[in-house]
Amino acid sequence: QQPVQSPQAVILREGEDAVINCSSSKALYSVHWYRQKHGEAPVFLMILLKGGEQKGHEKISASFNEKKQQSSLYLTASQLSYSGTYFCGTEDLYNTDKLIFGTGTRLQVFP
Amino acid sequence: DTEVTQTPKHLVMGMTNKKSLKCEQHMGHRAMYWYKQKAKKPPELMFVYSYEKLSINESVPSRFSPECPNSSLLNLHLHALQPEDSALYLCASSGTGTPNEKLFFGSGTQLSVL
Repeated sequence: QQPVQSPQAVILREGEDAVINCSSSKALYSVHWYRQKHGEAPVFLMILLKGGEQKGHEKISASFNEKKQQSSLYLTASQLSYSGTYFCGTEDLYNTDKLIFGTGTRLQVFP
Repeated sequence: DTEVTQTPKHLVMGMTNKKSLKCEQHMGHRAMYWYKQKAKKPPELMFVYSYEKLSINESVPSRFSPECPNSSLLNLHLHALQPEDSALYLCASSGTGTPNEKLFFGSGTQLSVL
C-alpha cells in the first residue's frame, strides 16, 4: 500500500513557505523525497533514515518520525523553480529493496 | 556521466505489435529498475534487476518482458499490449540496490497503445 501525502496540491507566492506530509501504514526503514517537473524525470532531493533525523538541502529540509511512520518536507522562501510534483518514497522495515512512491503533492509557485 | 538514457522518447504501437524500450547508464550502477507512471499518479515499481539478475517482479503481466543483457543496459520488451498500458515508462538505476540509495531516473518513454 502506497504512502499517503497531504496536501494533494499547494499554491504559493514566491517567498512563501510550505509543508508536505507523507504518512505510511508500515514501519519504515527510510524515506526518500523526489521532485518531478512536468514531462521530466523525478529528481532526488534527500534520504532520511530511521532515527528521527532531519536533513537540509538549500532551503528545503525534511524530518522523519519513525514512530509515527511519517515524514515532512519543509520548503522555505519558495522560488519559482520549486514548482513541480513532490513524491515521498518509502522503504519499509521488512522490504528494504523496494522504493514505493507516495500519492504525490503538486506544488505551484507564482511570482 | 550521471545520466540514465532512455530510448525512444515516444512510442505509438498497436495491440498486435512487438516493441522494445531501452535504458542505458554508464555510472557503474549494479541495480536497475522499471517504473510505470500514469498521468498525475506516482511511479509504480514493475521490475528490479540487481547484478543483472531479476530480483523483483511486482506481478507484472507477461506481455511485459524485462531483460538485462549487461550491467549498463536494461530493456523492456512489449508484446500484445492493451490500451490501458499507455503510460510513461521510467527507468532508474542505483549503486548496488541496497537500502538508502538514491535513484537516478531517465526521462522516460511515453507509450501510447492504440
